[in-house]
Amino acid sequence: AQSVTQLGSHVSVSEGALVLLRCNYSSSVPPYLFWYVQYPNQGLQLLLKYTSAATLVKGINGFEAEFKKSETSFHLTKPSAHMSDAAEYFCAVSPNTGTASKLTFGTGTRLQVTL
Amino acid sequence: EAEVAQSPRYKITEKSQAVAFWCDPISGHATLYWYRQILGQGPELLVQFQDESVVDDSQLPKDRFSAERLKGVDSTLKIQPAELGDSAMYLCASSPPYGSGPPTDTQYFGPGTRLTVL
Repeated sequence: AQSVTQLGSHVSVSEGALVLLRCNYSSSVPPYLFWYVQYPNQGLQLLLKYTSAATLVKGINGFEAEFKKSETSFHLTKPSAHMSDAAEYFCAVSPNTGTASKLTFGTGTRLQVTL
Repeated sequence: EAEVAQSPRYKITEKSQAVAFWCDPISGHATLYWYRQILGQGPELLVQFQDESVVDDSQLPKDRFSAERLKGVDSTLKIQPAELGDSAMYLCASSPPYGSGPPTDTQYFGPGTRLTVL
């Protein structure tokens, strides 16, 4: 069974500061990994994904994540936080099967950005 | 840009009543998913369709929940009777068919239906 663990249900940063949201995965097969963002009362928007290509993945809105197999991690970073980044962020995993597979999500991290 | 459509966006009902949610995936997407997201948690898969066939409904409470995708396009999720614990956001997602070009691993989510059971 696959799973992801997001460390920290709430993260608060100042505007302009580094954003670091942590995600560790557990998988018996090579996984696909994803980060999604959710704004209040909205669906999920894909930020970026890792699918066995480059280990450093760049996404939308200046976010990036690095797949580290030795640490079983896929942490999300952004060099400089903006007020508009305040949202809920979800890490998710699916099996690397080449076909459509369900996503298993973490419990989410709420990012707060302060002035 | 094509999007996944869901309706209604909000639904308030009393327990023991029946409710239904509708989802229209992105055109050409063969795989359709229904997820349930309880407040403060990540989404959990309820059912996955490949065209009109159910691929995975292992987490669907079949005594009260049903889902269909009769023509392999849009889909309906029904709850009868609704219980207080069903209050949640119900999210629909779709992904492209295998071999179509775009990666099948990416799921595109609709805006969701927020259900409140009183």
